[in-house]
Amino acid sequence: GAVVSQHPSRVICKSGTSVKIECRSLDFQATTMFWYRQFPKQSLMLMATSNEGSKATYEQGVEKDKFLINHASLTLSTLTVTSAHPEDSSFYICSARERTNYGYTFGSGTRLTVV
Amino acid sequence: GEDVEQSLFLSVREGDSSVINCTYTDSSSTYLYWYKQEPGAGLQLLTYIFSNMDMKQDQRLTVLLNKKDKHLSLRIADTQTGDSAIYFCADHVEGQNFVFGPGTRLSVLP
Repeated sequence: GAVVSQHPSRVICKSGTSVKIECRSLDFQATTMFWYRQFPKQSLMLMATSNEGSKATYEQGVEKDKFLINHASLTLSTLTVTSAHPEDSSFYICSARERTNYGYTFGSGTRLTVV
Repeated sequence: GEDVEQSLFLSVREGDSSVINCTYTDSSSTYLYWYKQEPGAGLQLLTYIFSNMDMKQDQRLTVLLNKKDKHLSLRIADTQTGDSAIYFCADHVEGQNFVFGPGTRLSVLP
C-alpha cells in the first residue's frame, strides 16, 4: 500500500535554530500534502495544506514565516520550523493523498523538542 | 512495520447506527484513538481506549476493542447528517509515534 516516510522521527534542537522535517511519498505521487501539529492528549491541528508547485495554504493563526512549507515535487514536502522556541516543542505529522477519493496516508510523525 | 487498516467508505441512513471498523498489527499498542475530520478542518479527537479495556462508551459513541483479533470499532448511535466526515483510527505504542489508518468517509443519507 501507499507509504509516507517522515524524517526525522525525533529531533532535539537549541532555541533559535531551525529544524527541517521531510515528508516523502514513497510509491505514489502526492498532489496534496497536509501538515498537522498535536499537543499532548489533544487533537491534531491542521497547520497547512500544500499542493505541489504552489504556495501552501496556511490555517488561521499559523505563522507562515515561522513554519515554512515547501512542496517542490510530487513526492516531497518539507516543513521548516524557523528560529525554534520551546513553545514550538510538539508532535508534527504529515499526511498525503494520491488523489481525491483515495485514503489518506500518514507519516510516522516527528517529535520536536526545543531546549 | 505497523499497519492500520480501515474501509475507505461507509454510507448509512439518518437515524441508523454506524459502525466503523479498524484493524491493526502491533500487539504492543498502548492506546487506540478515533479522530474525526470534517471538510477543511484538522483531526478532532473523538475518543480513545486504553489497550487493557474492552469497551468504552461516551454518549452516542461506543468503542469496542478485541485485542486478540487486533480489531477496533467505533459505533455511532442515531447517526445524524452532522456526523458525515472522515474517521481515522490511530494506534499508539508508548514511547513511539502514532500510526494512522487511511480514514473512513462516512456519508449519512436522509
